[in-house]
Amino acid sequence: AQSVTQPDIHITVSEGASLELRCNYSYGATPYLFWYVQSPGQGLQLLLKYFSGDTLVQGIKGFEAEFKRSQSSFNLRKPSVHWSDAAEYFCAVGAGYGGATNKLIFGTGTLLAVQP
Amino acid sequence: NAGVTQTPKFQVLKTGQSMTLQCAQDMNHNSMYWYRQDPGMGLRLIYYSASEGTTDKGEVPNGYNVSRLNKREFSLRLESAAPSQTSVYFCASSQGRRGRGGELFFGEGSRLTVL
Repeated sequence: AQSVTQPDIHITVSEGASLELRCNYSYGATPYLFWYVQSPGQGLQLLLKYFSGDTLVQGIKGFEAEFKRSQSSFNLRKPSVHWSDAAEYFCAVGAGYGGATNKLIFGTGTLLAVQP
Repeated sequence: NAGVTQTPKFQVLKTGQSMTLQCAQDMNHNSMYWYRQDPGMGLRLIYYSASEGTTDKGEVPNGYNVSRLNKREFSLRLESAAPSQTSVYFCASSQGRRGRGGELFFGEGSRLTVL
């Protein structure tokens, strides 16, 4: 069965420091992978997605992620974190098949805190 | 530019009461979804509708029913609410291209408390 693991529940970084959020997935075929961000009291906003092609994907707000098939990973990175990046981050894998739709399986999320 | 709109945003129910969460999207998307979000568990799919006139169960469908009223609207009904259904509910929609993939657009959520 498809699954997504985000091993870090909470991460705290200093403003201006680099960030890497980990995501590992389990999927039988080439996955469609996503990172979403959720600010407090808000819905989820797409940061970036990987369907095929270049394994380094650029997203909004200066985020990027790298798909590594050999490690079943899709880690999210940002070179320099801003205080406004404090939020919860969710990794997701596309679990639809055949004529079905774009059901996503989500990880449990990583809560990012940013210290001044 | 409304996107995905959910109502109500907050609701408190007593055990055994019923209620319906409403969701509407104005992006002409084919597919719609209901997720619930609980602390430490991420988002779990309750039901989805690949296209108008079809609905299917997700991971956690027990205790819920859905109706795809038309292409724009997808409602979630709790017939007899239980404390275990206290959660934040998110509606989402997507273009629903055949096969996998495609971005989901989310509403702002509906916070439900069952006493």
